[in-house]
Amino acid sequence: GENVEQHPSTLSVQEGDSAVIKCTYSDSASNYFPWYKQELGKRPQLIIDIRSNVGEKKDQRIAVTLNKTAKHFSLHITETQPEDSAVYFCAPGDYGQNFVFGPGTRLSVLP
Amino acid sequence: EAGVAQSPRYKIIEKRQSVAFWCNPISGHATLYWYQQILGQGPKLLIQFQNNGVVDDSQLPKDRFSAERLKGVDSTLKIQPAKLEDSAVYLCASSLGMGDTEAFFGQGTRLTVV
Repeated sequence: GENVEQHPSTLSVQEGDSAVIKCTYSDSASNYFPWYKQELGKRPQLIIDIRSNVGEKKDQRIAVTLNKTAKHFSLHITETQPEDSAVYFCAPGDYGQNFVFGPGTRLSVLP
Repeated sequence: EAGVAQSPRYKIIEKRQSVAFWCNPISGHATLYWYQQILGQGPKLLIQFQNNGVVDDSQLPKDRFSAERLKGVDSTLKIQPAKLEDSAVYLCASSLGMGDTEAFFGQGTRLTVV
């Protein structure tokens, strides 16, 4: 089955700085690469996703980059704000298989 | 558009008791997932339905957990008997596709087994 890892497990940045979280996966059949954000006590919500025919996708301050050859994809958050503080999960998937969530990265944005 | 509905929001039971959770997915979503999220961990898939058929239940502890999705819409997840280690948030999610489209999560049911 799919083996998913995230690095780092915790990340603290100053407000306004950038944050990068990396997700590595094992199943080369994966072709859908989402990032979910989970605030304390709330449900996971999709913030950005990318498909394997695209190398990079950007949505305002958030971007995702994919290296399918190396089997990893990364979440980039620029100009971080206190409301970005949350746990972020990657969950690579594919038609025909379920999402496998990573262990999560706890991001703290310090004022 | 209504989201994924789950009930109850919270449940406290004693070990060896039974409990059931209910989920109503977004209308038109064929795929339904039940996840278990233990505090400080990522969601772990318990079972995945495509319409009313089971796609993956490889991580469902079948000696105590069961789930059904009658008529391909609502779903129930049952634990009988519960153990202390079952304390977690049980999240239901639905999506249009199998594993290649966004999963929308419900608020979850927080289960505490004492």
